[in-house]
Amino acid sequence: AQRVTQPEKLLSVFKGAPVELKCNYSYSGSPELFWYVQYSRQRLQLLLRHISRESIKGFTADLNKGETSFHLKKPFAQEEDSAMYYCAPTRAGGTSYGKLTFGQGTILTVHP
Amino acid sequence: DAGVTQSPTHLIKTRGQHVTLRCSPISGHKSVSWYQQVLGQGPQFIFQYYEKEERGRGNFPDRFSARQFPNYSSELNVNALLLGDSALYLCASSLAAGGYSPLHFGNGTRLTVT
Repeated sequence: AQRVTQPEKLLSVFKGAPVELKCNYSYSGSPELFWYVQYSRQRLQLLLRHISRESIKGFTADLNKGETSFHLKKPFAQEEDSAMYYCAPTRAGGTSYGKLTFGQGTILTVHP
Repeated sequence: DAGVTQSPTHLIKTRGQHVTLRCSPISGHKSVSWYQQVLGQGPQFIFQYYEKEERGRGNFPDRFSARQFPNYSSELNVNALLLGDSALYLCASSLAAGGYSPLHFGNGTRLTVT
């Protein structure tokens, strides 16, 4: 069964500090992995996806297949990064990109 | 670009009743997915539709059904409502069902069952 674990429900850091939001997954096959974010009073939106290998708003995410992890990192957190973050794998290929398995989410608070 | 629109925004129903939620995707998007988000949890996949055909179904009872119309809008229907159906229902659209099209979410419909 597909399972996503985000072990920290709440994460607080100070502005300028590094931040790491953890995500561990248990998924059959080779999943494609995404991070979605929801800022206050905004809709859920894509932050980044593994296949793009890109950095969005200073965030990067490294896939570790051995540890089945996809942690989200940013070297210097900003107050505007405060939001709810969801890790979400899906089955790679085929027509399954509408079916994401979301973790429980991590609320990140960046203090001034 | 109006984004994904959902209606109504809020809804209160009593147990045993039926409810219909509506979703209009972003223009040009042919895939619509539905998610249920219970308070304190991440969204849970209910259905995906592409070109008016069901392409995926989550672990939800048969009381939940959906359809997609020729204009790619979609409806989610829930029969015989239970208290546990109280949740935020999210609709998401994407350009295609496959490939690497990201999901674009609506603001959701908040359903309260009393």
